[in-house]
Amino acid sequence: EAGVTQFPSHSVIEKGQTVTLRCDPISGHDNLYWYRRVMGKEIKFLLHFVKESKQDESGMPNNRFLAERTGGTYSTLKVQPAELEDSGVYFCASSLTGPSYEQYFGPGTRLTVT
Amino acid sequence: AQRVTQPEKLLSVFKGAPVELKCNYSYSGSPELFWYVQYSRQRLQLLLRHISRESIKGFTADLNKGETSFHLKKPFAQEEDSAMYYCALSGRGGYQKVTFGIGTKLQVIP
Repeated sequence: EAGVTQFPSHSVIEKGQTVTLRCDPISGHDNLYWYRRVMGKEIKFLLHFVKESKQDESGMPNNRFLAERTGGTYSTLKVQPAELEDSGVYFCASSLTGPSYEQYFGPGTRLTVT
Repeated sequence: AQRVTQPEKLLSVFKGAPVELKCNYSYSGSPELFWYVQYSRQRLQLLLRHISRESIKGFTADLNKGETSFHLKKPFAQEEDSAMYYCALSGRGGYQKVTFGIGTKLQVIP
């Protein structure tokens, strides 16, 4: 079975441009999470979907970030317009619903804003 | 506020030596504690969680509520243990967001 997949693996864009990251969770996983690691910092939670609904978006940095999960399958994270401080590795994870289910992580998308 | 502290960014040990990766946390209530590992060129994966009380790849971690610590230990390091190790916590009750420490790079010297 394929794990969580993310596309692209690496994106280099200029400040002010728009970038869309995609995450495909493990089939059947209702929970989908986005995290980000900025260089030298901890991996930080961004938001959590349960199916197509945003359960918790307390970690979203600002309104330049927009996450969607139409149909409760794959999710996209759009950054518009991108700023230099948005550079980092964006991770997606998915899990089943239940008290102690493990979150499975994707390989991450490395975003570089120049 | 919830926080995970890993005081060592890099820990180098010789093969066969004991390993202890330190982790302290702050949380209001009773969190669930985890250790995640990321081997070179691989994705982040769960190593162990405190509620399971199991040993994975020879690693164990004991939750000390008094000291709010969850140190990761292994009696004899192996070269294949070289990786980034992240201590993390979440609230109980399932599908909660995970709060990570900054990570410790373990380097096992042959």
